[in-house]
Amino acid sequence: GQSLEQPSEVTAVEGAIVQINCTYQTSGFYGLSWYQQHDGGAPTFLSYNALDGLEETGRFSSFLSRSDSYGYLLLQELQMKDSASYFCAVRLTLGRLYFGRGTQLTVWP
Amino acid sequence: EADIYQTPRYLVIGTGKKITLECSQTMGHDKMYWYQQDPGMELHLIHYSYGVNSTEKGDLSSESTVSRIRTEHFPLTLESARPSHTSQYLCASSPKSQAFNSPLHFGNGTRLTVT
Repeated sequence: GQSLEQPSEVTAVEGAIVQINCTYQTSGFYGLSWYQQHDGGAPTFLSYNALDGLEETGRFSSFLSRSDSYGYLLLQELQMKDSASYFCAVRLTLGRLYFGRGTQLTVWP
Repeated sequence: EADIYQTPRYLVIGTGKKITLECSQTMGHDKMYWYQQDPGMELHLIHYSYGVNSTEKGDLSSESTVSRIRTEHFPLTLESARPSHTSQYLCASSPKSQAFNSPLHFGNGTRLTVT
């Protein structure tokens, strides 16, 4: 089976930097994705790591270490609009995604 | 601008009723998925399809069924709704690409309440 672990909640102030960790145990691993979901909204794609290392997209970066079965999402220069749930998801065979329970990020002014 | 549409957005229905949740996408994507999500919880894959006339059950056992008669349409049906079916149902699609990083595009979901 598959399992993913990520913190349930994280809080920070505007302008700060936050790191959301994700550890996984899975078979048939192809990569790690991150999705953002605002309350009542649809999940939206943020990033994908197939290889070890850091991927940067604007204020957001994502890291993967396949040997450690570990990844993280780094959010810089936090803004109020970043308050949302963030899900890590492992990509399995045939393109299926297996999601973690999500991390609720609250950004305070 | 939504490219994947789900209707209804909210549905309250009595036990035993048959319901169909609609999902359509205008992106020409071959792959489509149904996920179930309870509040504050992870998304569970319940059905997926890789093209017309192709449907598979997902990781979470579900009493629902799906069909894929047209590329753009992937409806989910519950023959007899029960209170345990109360949840949010999210439809998603992705292109038939060899690239493993093809992201999923999600609809806004249907919040189903069975009384």
